[in-house]
Amino acid sequence: DTGVSQDPRHKITKRGQNVTFRCDPISEHNRLYWYRQTLGQGPEFLTYFQNEAQLEKSRLLSDRFSAERPKGSFSTLEIQRTEQGDSAMYLCASSSQGGTVNYGYTFGSGTRLTVV
Amino acid sequence: QQQVKQSPQSLIVQKGGISIINCAYENTAFDYFPWYQQFPGKGPALLIAIRPDVSEKKEGRFTISFNKSAKQFSLHIMDSQPGDSATYFCAARVDAGNKLTFGGGTRVLVKP
Repeated sequence: DTGVSQDPRHKITKRGQNVTFRCDPISEHNRLYWYRQTLGQGPEFLTYFQNEAQLEKSRLLSDRFSAERPKGSFSTLEIQRTEQGDSAMYLCASSSQGGTVNYGYTFGSGTRLTVV
Repeated sequence: QQQVKQSPQSLIVQKGGISIINCAYENTAFDYFPWYQQFPGKGPALLIAIRPDVSEKKEGRFTISFNKSAKQFSLHIMDSQPGDSATYFCAARVDAGNKLTFGGGTRVLVKP
């Protein structure tokens, strides 16, 4: 286990289609995050999980977006009825939390979504 | 609302020169300030980080300077190398949840 894995790396979809991305975090990390990065901008927080519980969702995460982390391991991010504005890099990151101490993130290489 | 403002958007520096990137924040609840380096097609990678009770932190050629009263912090890259050409992001975190707020990024080009 050498890092955070994301699949697929690239996805091109037609407007209105549904897409699903997968993230496999570092195995010993109990926290998993999703961020969205548009061209020329910094990543923006979407949601995060501690184990299997989704603890926070950004207002950026519209009703068309849903994320899951069954069994507290890998996570999926689904976008329904994609729109051109959904075109972005979707980044997954993981970290561990020990008691009250939070540790730094490790990001995956991202999934680049293009909606045509 | 942009809680972390980063400048400049881009900079060009000669090999061996110093790259300086500045960030300013508004939320006084931020308690951890990392810098990330991102190459094209890759995710951000943690470069160096500082907590607000420290005014400076140095790791190799990278130094963070932190001014708590001014709510500003900066990254200095000494002896810049062509391999440092990348986009750099400052970020800030509120401890609860470990969620990061990123600046807009600075594209650095180091000319040989």
